Amino acid sequence: EAGVAQSPRYKIIEKRQSVAFWCNPISGHATLYWYQQILGQGPKLLIQFQNNGVVDDSQLPKDRFSAERLKGVDSTLKIQPAKLEDSAVYLCASSLLGRGAFFGQGTRLTVV
Amino acid sequence: SQQGEEDPQALSIQEGENATMNCSYKTSINNLQWYRQNSGRGLVHLILIRSNEREKHSGRLRVTLDTSKKSSSLLITASRAADTASYFCAPGDDKIIFGKGTRLHILP
Repeated sequence: EAGVAQSPRYKIIEKRQSVAFWCNPISGHATLYWYQQILGQGPKLLIQFQNNGVVDDSQLPKDRFSAERLKGVDSTLKIQPAKLEDSAVYLCASSLLGRGAFFGQGTRLTVV
Repeated sequence: SQQGEEDPQALSIQEGENATMNCSYKTSINNLQWYRQNSGRGLVHLILIRSNEREKHSGRLRVTLDTSKKSSSLLITASRAADTASYFCAPGDDKIIFGKGTRLHILP
């Protein structure tokens, strides 16, 4: 079974630039999550989708972050404009509702 | 869903020993999950225990759940170097919220 695919693996941008991350979940998984993990901390849930609807985006900084899940499958997370404090690993995960989640390898973002 | 609080924050043990870490939470749940994160394999789901279960095993892992105390424990028996990782609990049903985790270091 193919896992959760994320791209790119690494990205370096200057502050105030924009960046987008892509996630392809496991086939058939209706629930998709995006997390931000700053070094030394646990992953922080940014947004959760159920199919293509948003379940929770309470921790998403909506003035600069946006996310969408087209046709209930792939998802993109965008940051515009980026700030230095956005430097982190961005993790995507998918699951069947109420089950354990499968995580991708993440995208390491460095904002300089 | 809610965030669990793992204890201890860090733990170092000799290879071959058992490691126990705990998780506390605040409100009633239907299930609780444990995850492991290391640099090699990323973040991996270990086990899910439901509120009507008191104990669950998976290989060298043993998880207990005490809903009256709102706590769970993860026991790793006969630890190996590969168990060096951060361990997170995620109490709750429809969201997976992580705390700070327990950093486990297995000494050779």
